[in-house]
Amino acid sequence: DTGVSQNPRHKITKRGQNVTFRCDPISEHNRLYWYRQTLGQGPEFLTYFQNEAQLEKSRLLSDRFSAERPKGSFSTLEIQRTEQGDSAMYLCASSRVQAASEKLFFGSGTQLSVL
Amino acid sequence: GQNIDQPTEMTATEGAIVQINCTYQTSGFNGLFWYQQHAGEAPTFLSYNVLDGLEEKGRFSSFLSRSKGYSYLLLKELQMKDSASYLCAVRFYSGNTPLVFGKGTRLSVIA
Repeated sequence: DTGVSQNPRHKITKRGQNVTFRCDPISEHNRLYWYRQTLGQGPEFLTYFQNEAQLEKSRLLSDRFSAERPKGSFSTLEIQRTEQGDSAMYLCASSRVQAASEKLFFGSGTQLSVL
Repeated sequence: GQNIDQPTEMTATEGAIVQINCTYQTSGFNGLFWYQQHAGEAPTFLSYNVLDGLEEKGRFSSFLSRSKGYSYLLLKELQMKDSASYLCAVRFYSGNTPLVFGKGTRLSVIA
């Protein structure tokens, strides 16, 4: 169990550029979640996958955001035409099963700064 | 909505006991989690409650009252390393719904 891995740890970009983040979940976990966290706030849900299927997207998620999990293993989150308001920590989490009691294991996140 | 409320900040003395409260809407409640998050790091799981009562795990305990929509995290024998944010998160309805997090309580442990 090597834990949830996220790359890059930090990303600085200019407004209007596209960025892509990667998440490698714990290997036997079939659920993968993306959350966003800003300073002084709790994680805010963006979207999640069960295997390769994207099951839910937050209503807050702009059309500029897209996520994929093509083979049910790693996932990517892309933000197109970044805006300063996109600056945040993007957290990935995984879990093994879909039971209500199943806890999430989080990665260390990708800190995005949009200048 | 699914508001989850926690105090923003708390300060406590090394060696003391601190209680961090969390309130949430009761409709659809299906489990409550506490996570610890040190600055710049990933949230890590502390405890899970779905039935009323107290769950004890070493220096940390978590309490739940489903009828009141209330939980607390109790930290005993505080250590400097306990300085962190403590996140209350609730599962509503089924295991197919994502965890909803509160804003977190930033705890500072002072000497």
